[in-house]
Order: sequence, then structure tokens, then C-alpha cells
Amino acid sequence: AQSVTQLDSQVPVFEEAPVELRCNYSSSVSVYLFWYVQYPNQGLQLLLKYLSGSTLVKGINGFEAEFNKSQTSFHLRKPSVHISDTAEYFCAVSSWGGNTPLVFGKGTRLSVIA
Amino acid sequence: DAGVIQSPRHEVTEMGQEVTLRCKPISGHNSLFWYRQTMMRGLELLIYFNNNVPIDDSGMPEDRFSAKMPNASFSTLKIQPSEPRDSAVYFCASTANVGHEQFFGPGTRLTVL
Repeated sequence: AQSVTQLDSQVPVFEEAPVELRCNYSSSVSVYLFWYVQYPNQGLQLLLKYLSGSTLVKGINGFEAEFNKSQTSFHLRKPSVHISDTAEYFCAVSSWGGNTPLVFGKGTRLSVIA
Repeated sequence: DAGVIQSPRHEVTEMGQEVTLRCKPISGHNSLFWYRQTMMRGLELLIYFNNNVPIDDSGMPEDRFSAKMPNASFSTLKIQPSEPRDSAVYFCASTANVGHEQFFGPGTRLTVL
């Protein structure tokens, strides 16, 4: 079984400040890791993913995340946020192998303050 | 590409009525997933298909829920009879064998009165 914990349910941050959204996971098997973003009344959009290789992955909109196997973490970072980054962010895992379901964290609501 | 298409976008119905949600995956994708999003439980898997075959339906809450995928380009999720606790946003997602990224539809917001 797998589980994902997003340590902060809400993160307020001022515009142009850096932000880190934290994610820890638990799994008995190897996993792929994902961050998705959800804007109000929309579906989920992939920000970035870790499948293998370099532990630092870069995604869209200036976001990046680092996979830390020993700490079972996959924290999301952005050096300077914009108002348009205000959204709900979900960390998710899926098992290695074929097309398997995503297990999501509860989400972190990022609010960027002007 | 039109992306994953879901219909209707909004559905308001009364308790006891049958509800059918529809999904058209991205052409060429061979896996399809139904998720439900609620404030209390977050995003959870209901059922998924590989090559039109149901693989895991353990997330389907009760026998009132059923899902079908008669062909590679269409899936339905049916609730009969519906109850107020079924109110949620239902997402459909699809993926191909490579990349492992799931592409999500815009969701159907279901309200059962």
C-alpha cells in the first residue's frame, strides 16, 4: 500500500518570494512521483514528474522538485512566485511498471499575496 | 488534441435518481481512470481500465456504482440510485504506456439533493 502526506494544507506567501511545498510518501515498492496543480473549477495539470535518473526535476512554470529516497520526500519549490501560481497543489505516487493508479496527498493550497 | 472530454460538466439531481457520467479518453491512450474528489476524502481512485478491461474496482464505494468501457474511446460511470453523499467532483484521466503521465478531464461536478 502507498500513502502520501502533504505536510501543509495551506501556504500563504508574498509575491516574488520563494516557496516550498512539502511532500512525503510511504510505499513498500518503488514508485514514480508527481506534482499536479489544480486551478479553481478545473482539472489537474501535471507540473513535473520523477521516473528515474537525476533526482532534481524541473517542470513547467518555473517549478522544480527534488527526490530524496532516504527521506522518502519529494518537495516542490519555486524561487519566485507570481499571483497566477495561486492554486491547489497535489503530490502523487504510482507504482513502477505498467499504467497504475495515482495515490494523492490531501493537497496544499498556495495563496500568493500581492 | 482535444484532451480528455467529460460530460456533463455539472449535474444536479435528486436523491434516488440515476446518474450517468461520460468520458472520452485521449485517442491512443490505453488506460482510463475514474477518480472522485471531495473535501473530506480528497482525490481517490474509483476504478481503472487497461485496454478496456476493468483492473481494479476496489475503490467503488457500493453496488450503486458501476463503470463500463465498451470501447477504447468511451467510458461511463453510473450511480443508481444516487444519494446526497455522492455529491463530489468526478474526474476521468487517461494515459498511454510511455511517460506515465495521466491526463485529466475537467471533471463533472455532481450535486445530489
